[in-house]
Amino acid sequence: DIVMTQSPDSLAVSLGERVTINCKSSQSILYSFNNKNSLAWYQQKPGQPPELLISWASTRESGVPDRFSGSGSGTDFTLSISSLQAEDVGIYYCHQYYDVPHTFGQGTKLEIK
Amino acid sequence: QVQLVQSGAEVKKPGASVKVSCKTSGYTFVDHLIHWVRQAPGQGLEWTGRINPNRGDTRYAQKFQGRVTMTRDTSISTAYMELSGLTSDDTAVYYCVRDPRSSSVWGQGTPVTVSS
Repeated sequence: DIVMTQSPDSLAVSLGERVTINCKSSQSILYSFNNKNSLAWYQQKPGQPPELLISWASTRESGVPDRFSGSGSGTDFTLSISSLQAEDVGIYYCHQYYDVPHTFGQGTKLEIK
Repeated sequence: QVQLVQSGAEVKKPGASVKVSCKTSGYTFVDHLIHWVRQAPGQGLEWTGRINPNRGDTRYAQKFQGRVTMTRDTSISTAYMELSGLTSDDTAVYYCVRDPRSSSVWGQGTPVTVSS
């Protein structure tokens, strides 16, 4: 199974500051069909299902604020929030869909400092 | 718009089975895989398996082999997940998810509680 490891497990950031969350896969998740990395980022708030923010490592979903961005390749990936807003509080997960079983990172809890 | 609407909360006794439904709309049901993901209270996300609605073929996580069955009814664009031999460790919210290769959309979740 592909292991997804996120860092940090939690972080507290001041409003307006930049946020960086990392995700490392135990092997390449490059999908040869489209030459894109099979990685998604989700935000989850209490009592709600995860919401897709980024797919294919860097494609922002329609309606997602442009302060969210995804980057990375190979086995190292990053989710960035350029300027933290109060509504960005939640738990963030990375997800590899390159192969079954699909696997998720353990989650990163983001709070306001 | 694309929607996945799941059946309601379930309470089951240990050893029982549960069947959760996922009714889809807003897209062609047979064109996209449906995955099932669960989340135990206060825990992370765990993939349980997926079904190809077109052919009906399935792939299950090793951990659930022999206990999980995923099916679909193309006439009503609905997928199902049945889990048998329930234990307290199966207490979780179960989500159906449209395949992430085509922009994943999640159902609202079905809480399943296993308690004697």
